[in-house]
Amino acid sequence: NAGVTQTPKFQVLKTGQSMTLQCAQDMNHNSMYWYRQDPGMGLRLIYYSASEGTTDKGEVPNGYNVSRLNKREFSLRLESAAPSQTSVYFCASSEWAFTGELFFGEGSRLTVL
Amino acid sequence: GQQLNQSPQSMFIQEGEDVSMNCTSSSIFNTWLWYKQDPGEGPVLLIALYKAGELTSNGRLTAQFGITRKDSFLNISASIPSDVGIYFCAGPSPNDYKLSFGAGTTVTVRA
Repeated sequence: NAGVTQTPKFQVLKTGQSMTLQCAQDMNHNSMYWYRQDPGMGLRLIYYSASEGTTDKGEVPNGYNVSRLNKREFSLRLESAAPSQTSVYFCASSEWAFTGELFFGEGSRLTVL
Repeated sequence: GQQLNQSPQSMFIQEGEDVSMNCTSSSIFNTWLWYKQDPGEGPVLLIALYKAGELTSNGRLTAQFGITRKDSFLNISASIPSDVGIYFCAGPSPNDYKLSFGAGTTVTVRA
């Protein structure tokens, strides 16, 4: 009963390093999302994929890229990490874009030194 | 940007208390959602509201969709220790339908 699975759960990077956060869902959902959570800021949408083959920018896309690898998987890439990208990242999925319930993963805590 | 304002930012509860929190927007929303995030976990949907004036319960939780469509309220009755966490309101932005979240209300047990 996995739902939405994110890896890694924790990561420490140095400024300028790159990394990819992986996300997979097993609910056959069409839409997937990446949010970041910062204290006092709630959850802010980075990128989303309304359906397989499409991706769109959210509220805070700068410094990130995404790939919808297939219907199950949606990855988030930081090409050159900056301290401002220190955050907790959540992947989520839903049956259709922004309607109904979003199911979230457990989060990935990223620290950029 | 963020359009949802949650109040209070944080609160301390004592077991057995009733607690209330709200969420307001400068724009009209057609859907209000309330999520809860337990420590170390992702948010989980508690209640969804789709109609102005709607009052919906989920166990000890009751949420209301404000008549003006610019606010929503969440009440927790007879709180218990496992009610601690962060409660988020959310709704599809009236401009682009992307789901926006409030900053959250952090609920902590009073020692």
